[in-house]
Amino acid sequence: SQQGEEDPQALSIQEGENATMNCSYKTSINNLQWYRQNSGRGLVHLILIRSNEREKHSGRLRVTLDTSKKSSSLLITASRAADTASYFCATDRTGGGNKLTFGTGTQLKVEL
Amino acid sequence: DVKVTQSSRYLVKRTGEKVFLECVQDMDHENMFWYRQDPGLGLRLIYFSYDVKMKEKGDIPEGYSVSREKKERFSLILESASTNQTSMYLCASSLPGQGYGYTFGSGTRLTVV
Repeated sequence: SQQGEEDPQALSIQEGENATMNCSYKTSINNLQWYRQNSGRGLVHLILIRSNEREKHSGRLRVTLDTSKKSSSLLITASRAADTASYFCATDRTGGGNKLTFGTGTQLKVEL
Repeated sequence: DVKVTQSSRYLVKRTGEKVFLECVQDMDHENMFWYRQDPGLGLRLIYFSYDVKMKEKGDIPEGYSVSREKKERFSLILESASTNQTSMYLCASSLPGQGYGYTFGSGTRLTVV
């Protein structure tokens, strides 16, 4: 079963706008991670947020985590065409031994 | 730059063939993982390994096996390829313990005909 479910499945915005993607999960976690995948390639690690953290920033990325609602969001500010990619959340479940469970992803398209 | 290298970018094999997918990392990572990625299903864990000669089944191990004879190399084996194993295969590695992200290879797109 899918631990992480991203929402929306697809998102299309204009360059310069902000993009927000959400992730919901089902069980308790040690941490939650976000990855980017450019078309047909491997995934690239973007950011990790631990279960005792509520918000984290990295450059134009802002991640929030609400463990009471079992949800996370990824905000990309001032998006660029190069941000066009699929974005996946992945959870490291409590007791899971650093095995990540991935969601089905959000496809982001940033248009010029 | 740290790297996870998958030996083939594209592969076409016939039904019933034994298929080897190779993955090598140069980061001295203990943990290595094999996932397959299918549209609408995301990434699903096939097998993983926390150390040399150690292997554990993931969520979908049926029809697959793995080998880890050296720390840097983790091989995925399709014992008898079938058309439902047509997929993108992704290898990843990480440091041990919690709180570390994965480094992924570029993937192998396998087609079984």
